[in-house]
Amino acid sequence: DIVMTQSPDSLAVSLGERATINCKSSQSVLFSSDTKNYLAWYQLKPGQPPKLLIYWASTRESGVPDRFSGSGSGTDFTLTISSLQAEDVAVYYCQQYYSFPFTFGGGTKVEIK
Amino acid sequence: EVQMLESGGGLVQPGGSLRLSCAASGFTFSNYAMSWVRQAPGKGLEWVSGISGSTGSTYYADSVKGRYTISRDNSKNTLSLQMNSLRAEDTAVYHCAKNGGVSCYSHFDYWGQGILVTVSS
Repeated sequence: DIVMTQSPDSLAVSLGERATINCKSSQSVLFSSDTKNYLAWYQLKPGQPPKLLIYWASTRESGVPDRFSGSGSGTDFTLTISSLQAEDVAVYYCQQYYSFPFTFGGGTKVEIK
Repeated sequence: EVQMLESGGGLVQPGGSLRLSCAASGFTFSNYAMSWVRQAPGKGLEWVSGISGSTGSTYYADSVKGRYTISRDNSKNTLSLQMNSLRAEDTAVYHCAKNGGVSCYSHFDYWGQGILVTVSS
């Protein structure tokens, strides 16, 4: 199984400041045939279903604010919130869909400082 | 508007069975793979099972293999999860999720609100 390791477990950021979440996979999720990284990011708020933010490691889902961006390739990935807003308080998960069983990171809780 | 509504959850004794259903609308159901993802109380997300949109190929997490069966009825736009031999560790909110493509090798772009399954005596 591919193990997804997120860091940090939690972080507190001031409003308007940058938040950076890291995700590392135990093996590459880059598929050579299509040169895509099979990696997604989700936002989870209490009482709501998860929301897709980023897929193929760096493609922003329609309707997601452009302050959210994804980067990385192979085994190391980053989700960046360029200017944290109050509504961004949530838990964020990375997930690989490169091989079964699909696996999620442990989650990163983002709070306001 | 894409919508998915889960039903069939509830309280069941260890060793018992439940069948979850997910009614989907707002998209061409047969053109997309569908999945189940769960979240145990106080825990993170765990992928449970997936089924492709075309061939109906199925995939399972090791933790549920042999006990759960995923299926779909493209004529009724419905996804199902038959859960047998339930254990306490199966207690979770189960989400129906739409995949981003016909293949299961895709992200989850829409999620249902989720339904609680509690396994307890």
